[in-house]
Amino acid sequence: EPEVTQTPSHQVTQMGQEVILRCVPISNHLYFYWYRQILGQKVEFLVSFYNNEISEKSEIFDDQFSVERPDGSNFTLKIRSTKLEDSAMYFCASSDRTSYSYEQYFGPGTRLTVT
Amino acid sequence: SQQGEEDPQALSIQEGENATMNCSYKTSINNLQWYRQNSGRGLVHLILIRSNEREKHSGRLRVTLDTSKKSSSLLITASRAADTASYFCVHTGTASKLTFGTGTRLQVTL
Repeated sequence: EPEVTQTPSHQVTQMGQEVILRCVPISNHLYFYWYRQILGQKVEFLVSFYNNEISEKSEIFDDQFSVERPDGSNFTLKIRSTKLEDSAMYFCASSDRTSYSYEQYFGPGTRLTVT
Repeated sequence: SQQGEEDPQALSIQEGENATMNCSYKTSINNLQWYRQNSGRGLVHLILIRSNEREKHSGRLRVTLDTSKKSSSLLITASRAADTASYFCVHTGTASKLTFGTGTRLQVTL
């Protein structure tokens, strides 16, 4: 069964460094998302992406964040200058979003630790 | 999407028993989905029920939807230890992002 994959599973970085989190969505899906979950808190929406552009973003997704689909398979989230409060699990998701269906399929997550 | 409110916040049962979780929402919906999250891992889509459906089954899962009461329930029959997880309901209108609440934490003990 196709699945969303994410790499790395755990990333440790120093404050102020840039990180890139990678995701490979399900191959025939056209809609891509990033969510994050700070330890012990709710899963929060960051950004959605369709047709090579951002379709919606949350207040969390400020200028320090960017997303890209550099080729036909990868979908990346870049944090330019990490802060301590960026420590969280980051989940990628994808969807084919047919007329009546909004199921999203999530990857296993990347745990980002900023020290 | 809009956040659903799950009830109870926590539920502890023994293996083999049934678990029922409830969800309430405030706005009109196109469909309602249930997701599961095991201990900080990725979310797994369980089942989607459309606004014109009243009940849906998938394996040991049974979902009901009452649009007049703006509520849904998820029943897990013959629970297993592997069902231990947090369960979330999410309803979507036309927006595609999912908004998660705090969920119901289900603990299934042997």
